[in-house]
Amino acid sequence: QSALTQPRSVSGSPGQSVTISCTGTSANIGNPGSDYVFWYQQHPGKVPRLLISNVRQRPAGVPDRFSGSRSGNTASLTISGLQPDDEAHYYCASYGGGLNFVFGSGTHVTVV
Amino acid sequence: QVQLVQSEAEATKPGASVRVSCEASGYNFYDYGFHWVRQAPGQGLEWMGWINPITGERSYGASVRGRATLTTDANTNTVSWELRSLISGDTAVYYCARGISLDTWGQGTLVTVS
Repeated sequence: QSALTQPRSVSGSPGQSVTISCTGTSANIGNPGSDYVFWYQQHPGKVPRLLISNVRQRPAGVPDRFSGSRSGNTASLTISGLQPDDEAHYYCASYGGGLNFVFGSGTHVTVV
Repeated sequence: QVQLVQSEAEATKPGASVRVSCEASGYNFYDYGFHWVRQAPGQGLEWMGWINPITGERSYGASVRGRATLTTDANTNTVSWELRSLISGDTAVYYCARGISLDTWGQGTLVTVS
């Protein structure tokens, strides 16, 4: 069982926005001394790709349609202007004490 | 460009050991640590461990602690993951990934235990 809880699936139509939540604890997501919240995208059969680091930072090449935020022990990933290629699994992640890393349970985004 | 290239797929039996390697290129090997992540068939991502190539500091996930060893070889810019006393539940694709944010991933190595 993952330490970070995500909804199993979310869906939206092209052009719409969807938001994925990721709930942890004050030891990981909600740690006030740390901005270590990450989001990864994984298409079927492909390698995971870093989408968001440090709560809200986008690496080079990630469209600004993807945005991250955090409130208390919950982080969120919002995908705006949903596109067919956004259909994938999305995982949140954080550090949970020392060097221990933890992933969320994963959310499948369907573009209907 | 920054690249992590992993070793080929492995098929092995319960009780055996397996070693997966990850060769880094395109940057200074000592500038980043390495995470290892696995993904069982049809399942999510599971963190396995971390190593700092400068200090040798390591940390392992609960499900493999005591069975896993991470090592680095700066001569070949390679980090290796060894897992012992394999069980069928260790069947998964194993990934190496770079740095605090796992910003670059290897292509994955399928380990099959049966």
